[in-house]
Amino acid sequence: DSGVTQTPKHLITATGQRVTLRCSPRSGDLSVYWYQQSLDQGLQFLIQYYNGEERAKGNILERFSAQQFPDLHSELNLSSLELGDSALYFCASSVVIAGGLQFFGPGTRLTVL
Amino acid sequence: QQPVQSPQAVILREGEDAVINCSSSKALYSVHWYRQKHGEAPVFLMILLKGGEQKGHEKISASFNEKKQQSSLYLTASQLSYSGTYFCGTVSGNTGKLIFGQGTTLQVKP
Repeated sequence: DSGVTQTPKHLITATGQRVTLRCSPRSGDLSVYWYQQSLDQGLQFLIQYYNGEERAKGNILERFSAQQFPDLHSELNLSSLELGDSALYFCASSVVIAGGLQFFGPGTRLTVL
Repeated sequence: QQPVQSPQAVILREGEDAVINCSSSKALYSVHWYRQKHGEAPVFLMILLKGGEQKGHEKISASFNEKKQQSSLYLTASQLSYSGTYFCGTVSGNTGKLIFGQGTTLQVKP
């Protein structure tokens, strides 16, 4: 158990819908990262927040957005869902802003039908 | 830019050794190694921050050649529990943005 929690564990929805994935980092960690893992794209970095502010962005689609709240939990919002958005979405957290080791949560498996 | 891992897949017998390589075309700040079992979260193995530094944990160790922008993961006397997909992740800038390689699937057989 890494100490990072993610909800829900599984999510099944239809194309065109909107979903919200939630992540609670380890106690004391200020950085939160979101990654997408699909069969054809591997493990892809989406976005990083540090203490409430966006720190780094990867190949995150405009239909996707994220935020980190004052209590440091983070949410990833996915809208206008497409079949290709089906993937495992991982949240990770670390103490430092850069370079430190990242602990991954158990992931949310999103299935878009 | 995504680091390149080699080999893509390895099959071993228990007790055999393996080396997994990771190379990048960009200057690296650090290299992170993770192991992932199917359907589970990646689990952190080690992080390397300095050129030429070698870190180890029991029978798993790694090296990082900063000049060549390469890292290698060494697994000695492999156990069944070592099976999984190994990812190297590289950090190039002053962020935590981890760019992962495509992964190396390791299967250890009895």
